[in-house]
Amino acid sequence: AQSVAQPEDQVNVAEGNPLTVKCTYSVSGNPYLFWYVQYPNRGLQFLLKYITGDNLVKGSYGFEAEFNKSQTSFHLKKPSALVSDSALYFCAVSFGGSARQLTFGSGTQLTVLP
Amino acid sequence: GAGVSQSPRYKVAKRGQDVALRCDPISGHVSLFWYQQALGQGPEFLTYFQNEAQLDKSGLPSDRFFAERPEGSVSTLKIQRTQQEDSAVYLCASSPSGQGNQPQHFGDGTRLSIL
Repeated sequence: AQSVAQPEDQVNVAEGNPLTVKCTYSVSGNPYLFWYVQYPNRGLQFLLKYITGDNLVKGSYGFEAEFNKSQTSFHLKKPSALVSDSALYFCAVSFGGSARQLTFGSGTQLTVLP
Repeated sequence: GAGVSQSPRYKVAKRGQDVALRCDPISGHVSLFWYQQALGQGPEFLTYFQNEAQLDKSGLPSDRFFAERPEGSVSTLKIQRTQQEDSAVYLCASSPSGQGNQPQHFGDGTRLSIL
């Protein structure tokens, strides 16, 4: 079965430190990978995507993610965290073909401590 | 506004009542999706439209759930004879094309509470 896993429910990091939010997936074929952020009582905002090409993709607000096919991972990173980055982060996969919908991980709550 | 708009933002209904949730996608977007997000969970797919055609409704949890997009723009998600387990946030998303590699743009959702 195709699935997405975010192994950490909660990540805490000090402001100014680098952050990593982990995501792994299980799928046959070549998936399209996305990261979204959700603030309280709001919808999801697109951060970045990996479709093909360079394994390191850069997105909004200084975030980047590294696609690793051998480890089936797509971890979200930022070199220097801000308090305003505190939010709920979702990794998502689209498996292409006729299945255009996103399959989401369970989410990781990121807290950046001042 | 240029974003996806959903109404109402909050809906409270008694068990057994019917509800209708509206989604106005970004103008010109071909694809429209509905997702259900339970508290503390990631969104789960319900159904997908390409223009007015409902191409996938495999995520609808029961025949009490019905969605339509008759003119290929605004969509309505209807839930009949609501149950307490229907309480969730219902998110609508749209994307410019029918390609799975396009990011989806989400509305702020409708929070449905069934008493």
